[in-house]
Amino acid sequence: QVQLAESGGGVVQPGRSLRLSCAASGFIFNTYGMHWVRQAPGKGLEWVAFIWYDGSYKNYANSVKGRFTISRDNSKNTLYLQMSSLSVEDTAVYYCARWGKNGYELDYWGQGTLVTVSS
Amino acid sequence: QSALTQEVSVSGTVGQKVTLSCTGNSYNIGSYAVGWYQQISHGAPKIVMFGDSLPSGIPDRFSGSKSGTTASLTISGLQPEDEADYYCSSWDYRLSALIFGGGTKLTVL
Repeated sequence: QVQLAESGGGVVQPGRSLRLSCAASGFIFNTYGMHWVRQAPGKGLEWVAFIWYDGSYKNYANSVKGRFTISRDNSKNTLYLQMSSLSVEDTAVYYCARWGKNGYELDYWGQGTLVTVSS
Repeated sequence: QSALTQEVSVSGTVGQKVTLSCTGNSYNIGSYAVGWYQQISHGAPKIVMFGDSLPSGIPDRFSGSKSGTTASLTISGLQPEDEADYYCSSWDYRLSALIFGGGTKLTVL
């Protein structure tokens, strides 16, 4: 079965960096695009970034553009999110999600990893 | 990025039919299929509808539709386990971004 497992969250000071990982299993990873979506405490879902199946194209939300970098290692079935210049507004649970084949649907989600930006 | 517009809260009794709506514009809902996601008690979101297609494993009491720039998720025969937050989502080609609605809290009375 499809499984996505995020890791790398934690407490980080404003201005610092953090890298999240998402280990994928149960499907052919290098044939699917992937997304990161976040949810601030008590708030709704916010799309962060996506990457094509082969890593050749990436797109970012304006709120993270220039600070976050999405990448993938298809040999390791792993998706990454490198986050830099973090601010308190980046505090959220970060989910990785698989991009389905029918359009812009996210057909499987991980359990999420919490990132807390605090001094 | 702008969010799609959803009801803040909707409630219904067991067995009732309820409809959640999601309003956008021609750049998003008017041009793309809408995804609906269920989130129970702040757990991982789960897709329950994409366009009018029911994902595998989702009960057929869930159905989806769209008219112009408004999409709807209907639950026919509401069950206690349907109590959750529901989010709609669509690609927006003007914003070049995937956007979500603010979410609807569905309460089963």
